[in-house]
Amino acid sequence: NAGVTQTPKFQVLKTGQSMTLQCAQDMNHEYMSWYRQDPGMGLRLIHYSVGAGITDQGEVPNGYNVSRSTTEDFPLRLLSAAPSQTSVYFCASSYGQVSVSYEQYFGPGTRLTVT
Amino acid sequence: GESVGLHLPTLSVQEGDNSIINCAYSNSASDYFIWYKQESGKGPQFIIDIRSNMDKRQGQRVTVLLNKTVKHLSLQIAATQPGDSAVYFCAENFGGSNYKLTFGKGTLLTVNP
Repeated sequence: NAGVTQTPKFQVLKTGQSMTLQCAQDMNHEYMSWYRQDPGMGLRLIHYSVGAGITDQGEVPNGYNVSRSTTEDFPLRLLSAAPSQTSVYFCASSYGQVSVSYEQYFGPGTRLTVT
Repeated sequence: GESVGLHLPTLSVQEGDNSIINCAYSNSASDYFIWYKQESGKGPQFIIDIRSNMDKRQGQRVTVLLNKTVKHLSLQIAATQPGDSAVYFCAENFGGSNYKLTFGKGTLLTVNP
């Protein structure tokens, strides 16, 4: 299993540009999440999904959109990039059965810089 | 412990010593806690978890202690090795779902050879 994969690893955008961060998992996990991590901060939840076709907002959703058309993929879209969105973005997935495990499996991250 | 502002708490230990990393969590209704390790340039990796009906859980070289009275969690690493150098995060879950983890700001552990 590849686990959770993210592309690209690095990206530089100009203010106002849009782009999509890709995330895929091959563990058949129901739950997927997007976090951002800023220097000296913990991870903050942007959006999450409890299954294909179902998404919801997390703590810091403004400026981001998500969709979940398949179990495997959970792309994060930046609609109009702003310097405040410069961050490292992590995608995570986990089982839907809480009795199995609450563990979230994280991807390697995408480092985004907005100039 | 928890960080203030943008600066992570740091813990520096000698190789072979035991390390204790502390975390204060926020919600008395939290029912599940996880410790993650994050090495530079990588995503967080699961270390150990504990449910709220327990006060101690042991893994390989790691022990997590939970004190619900004071909402405190600690991670003990035995015989710390240079490969343990990383940022350690605690995370809590409440509400019975496993997609809304709330993360602490992390502690930087540096192991000196």
